[in-house]
Amino acid sequence: EIVLTQSPGTLSLSPGERATLSCRASQSVSSNYLNWYQQRPGQAPRLLIYATSSRATGIPDRFSGSGSGTDFTLTISRLEPEDVAVYYCQQYDTSVGTFGQGTKVEIK
Amino acid sequence: QVQLAQSGTEVKKPGASVKVSCKASGYTLSSYGTHWVRQAPGQRPEWMGWINGGNGKTKYSEKFQGRVTFTSDTSANTGYMELSRLTSEDTAVYYCARDVAFNTGWYDSWGQGTLVTVSS
Repeated sequence: EIVLTQSPGTLSLSPGERATLSCRASQSVSSNYLNWYQQRPGQAPRLLIYATSSRATGIPDRFSGSGSGTDFTLTISRLEPEDVAVYYCQQYDTSVGTFGQGTKVEIK
Repeated sequence: QVQLAQSGTEVKKPGASVKVSCKASGYTLSSYGTHWVRQAPGQRPEWMGWINGGNGKTKYSEKFQGRVTFTSDTSANTGYMELSRLTSEDTAVYYCARDVAFNTGWYDSWGQGTLVTVSS
């Protein structure tokens, strides 16, 4: 099973700042199968980024994804109050899905 | 628009079974894969497996193999997840999610979640 480790655990930033979230895999993951989800409190996860760098429908362009192999990054270019959430990376490379433990994004 | 409506909160005793439903609207269940994901309190989501809505074939996570069953009723456009031999460690919110195709791992629509509490 591929283990995903996210860092940092919590990110506390001011509105307008840039947020950089990291996801490291225990073995190489195909770029097609690395995705990011946003989960606001009390809600189901929502697809943000699929296949490493493609934004899902309706996702603002301040969200972007990058990476390859074992290291992937989600960037929020200008943090807004509605971005407060937990962000999970997820892989599905071996047709068995796993999620990272999440990064909580807070607003100062 | 695409929506997934799940059944309501369940409280079960250890050793019992639970069956959660997931009714799709805005699309035909048989044209997509439905994946099931659970999330224990304060924990990361955990993938349980998926069902091919077109042919009913399933794949289960090894962790749940032998204890979980996914089914589809195409006439009702509804999917089901049944989990047996419940223990307290099965207390979680259970989600169904639509895969954008069948088995890409890209979940573009999720149900609202069903809380299952296992307690004696």
